[in-house]
Amino acid sequence: NAGVTQTPKFRVLKTGQSMTLLCAQDMNHEYMYWYRQDPGMGLRLIHYSVGEGTTAKGEVPDGYNVSRLKKQNFLLGLESAAPSQTSVYFCASSLPGTSLYEQYFGPGTRLTVT
Amino acid sequence: GQSLEQPSEVTAVEGAIVQINCTYQTSGFYGLSWYQQHDGGAPTFLSYNALDGLEETGRFSSFLSRSDSYGYLLLQELQMKDSASYFCAVVTGANNLFFGTGTRLTVIP
Repeated sequence: NAGVTQTPKFRVLKTGQSMTLLCAQDMNHEYMYWYRQDPGMGLRLIHYSVGEGTTAKGEVPDGYNVSRLKKQNFLLGLESAAPSQTSVYFCASSLPGTSLYEQYFGPGTRLTVT
Repeated sequence: GQSLEQPSEVTAVEGAIVQINCTYQTSGFYGLSWYQQHDGGAPTFLSYNALDGLEETGRFSSFLSRSDSYGYLLLQELQMKDSASYFCAVVTGANNLFFGTGTRLTVIP
């Protein structure tokens, strides 16, 4: 059981470049999330998905897009990276409904945009 | 909207007890979760309170008072490995958690 995995672990982009972060979970969870964490800050929700083929905006969705084509995968895309998107990105998954209080997090992706 | 307040830093001595408070204001509330995050690591779930009262899990306990919009995490018999950041998070019923900005706990010998 790998839990939640994220690819890549580190990435450096130049302003204007694009990239996709991949998240995979093997726990058969319905819900998946993308968060960003900036120094000294909590986790802020970017987008989330309550099931295959569905996505929704979170607290800070601007500049990001997501897709959930398969239940086990949740992709986060940056179409035109900006320095303000330098952050650590965490993916998480959970059971549905009010069981979402217990989320399982991946190891994170450290992204630097220069 | 939602807001959570918790102290930014707490320092405690190894073997002692420490309490990390969290107050919240939300438009909907189902419960309060606590997460631990070591430097460079991922957040890990510690506990959850949906009802008023104390929940105990080993050395860690969590308390909730819905009428006061207040909760706390209690860590007993502190160990050096407990040095980490601790986040409270509310379940608002909107299919997601809303996290506080975290409390950095430093355990000193």
